[in-house]
Amino acid sequence: EVQLVESGGGLVQPGRSLRLSCAASGFTFDDYAMHWVRQGPGKGLEWVSGISWNSGTIGYADSVKGRFTISRNNARNSLYLQLNSLTAEDTAFFFCAKASARMLGSAGYFDLWGLGTLVTVSS
Amino acid sequence: SYMLTQPPSVSVAPGKTATITCGGDNIGSKSVHWYQQKPGQAPVMVIYYGTDRPSGIPERFSGSNSGNTATLTVSRVEAGDEADYYCQVWDSSSDHYVFGTGTKVTVL
Repeated sequence: EVQLVESGGGLVQPGRSLRLSCAASGFTFDDYAMHWVRQGPGKGLEWVSGISWNSGTIGYADSVKGRFTISRNNARNSLYLQLNSLTAEDTAFFFCAKASARMLGSAGYFDLWGLGTLVTVSS
Repeated sequence: SYMLTQPPSVSVAPGKTATITCGGDNIGSKSVHWYQQKPGQAPVMVIYYGTDRPSGIPERFSGSNSGNTATLTVSRVEAGDEADYYCQVWDSSSDHYVFGTGTKVTVL
């Protein structure tokens, strides 16, 4: 079955760290770029970060640059997001999304999404 | 930074047509993609490259893009079309993916 399954979310205190994972199955993982998209409570979608098929190109939203780190392990069909220096504004569902292309850029859209994992930042 | 503006809400009677706009500076020069998100669910792509439909998406969903406005049209609206809809583009100036503000479609 073609699917993405996120894990690693939870309740964390401000300033602490968390690592999210996304397990992919049912497609050739290393043929596609992958992304993280988040959605705050009652809010819209926000692109967080993306990584090309070979990790050669990486991008971040301005709101997370310098705090979050995306990575992937093609041998394990897995995508990761390291979240550091978390604030209450980072509270959101984090979705893993498969891109339609190998590289980041205009050719890409998000054609497969996971169900998301909830990150709550609170003391 | 590049911004995409959508109406917060659209209401439509069953069987009628829902029109959802996505405004952005010269958006007609960009590839626009549309996503449907039902409550408590992950988004699903309904239109890509402005006018193309993924397999499994009904022909009732169509898109267009010109000038400063992209449009998603849902014809013969059904109760199951009630959802939030988001447009999305790639902004080459910032190398960022940008989502629209989202439109909640309510079926009366």
